[in-house]
Amino acid sequence: GNSVTQMEGPVTLSEEAFLTINCTYTATGYPSLFWYVQYPGEGLQLLLKATKADDKGSNKGFEATYRKETTSFHLEKGSVQVSDSAVYFCALSGAAAGNKLTFGGGTRVLVKP
Amino acid sequence: NAGVMQNPRHLVRRRGQEARLRCSPMKGHSHVYWYRQLPEEGLKFMVYLQKENIIDESGMPKERFSAEFPKEGPSILRIQQVVRGDSAAYFCASSPLGLQGAYEQFFGPGTRLTVL
Repeated sequence: GNSVTQMEGPVTLSEEAFLTINCTYTATGYPSLFWYVQYPGEGLQLLLKATKADDKGSNKGFEATYRKETTSFHLEKGSVQVSDSAVYFCALSGAAAGNKLTFGGGTRVLVKP
Repeated sequence: NAGVMQNPRHLVRRRGQEARLRCSPMKGHSHVYWYRQLPEEGLKFMVYLQKENIIDESGMPKERFSAEFPKEGPSILRIQQVVRGDSAAYFCASSPLGLQGAYEQFFGPGTRLTVL
């Protein structure tokens, strides 16, 4: 079956530091890949997505590239802000999975001033 | 355009009671998904519905849990005879008929169920 593995947190950074969260996946077929962000007490918001190999998703300074050869979709941001403190979830979906999302366990990021 | 609506936002039940969670999808969306998030864990798929049809319920516990998405009105996730292990955040997501391979789901704020 499908699965997503992402690095465990918490990840604690200083403001303006470089952030990377690793995500690897196992899936049948050609899934779409997503990063969602969850701020405290809120639901999930789509951060970025990529639908085919070598696509790069980007939003709000975050980016991730769909790497089929390494089955990875690592999230990066060059300079984090305190407001980026949240839990980040990597996920995949696709027709072979009936469109449902399969999530990683989430990575909590804490950015200190 | 309103987003996905869920109510109540917080629900407290005693063991053995019933819990009803409601989800109104975004306007124009005909696909609804329910996910459960246990404390300090990721989200787990429960059920996928279209209007009046359950498409995939492979993530639903076999007993006490049921879901519906009627022709009119919100989708309902129903938990009968709740137990403490049902305490979790329950998220609903909706999507339109999307392009192949581009199934973006929009999430509601969640219902946080606490079973005493």
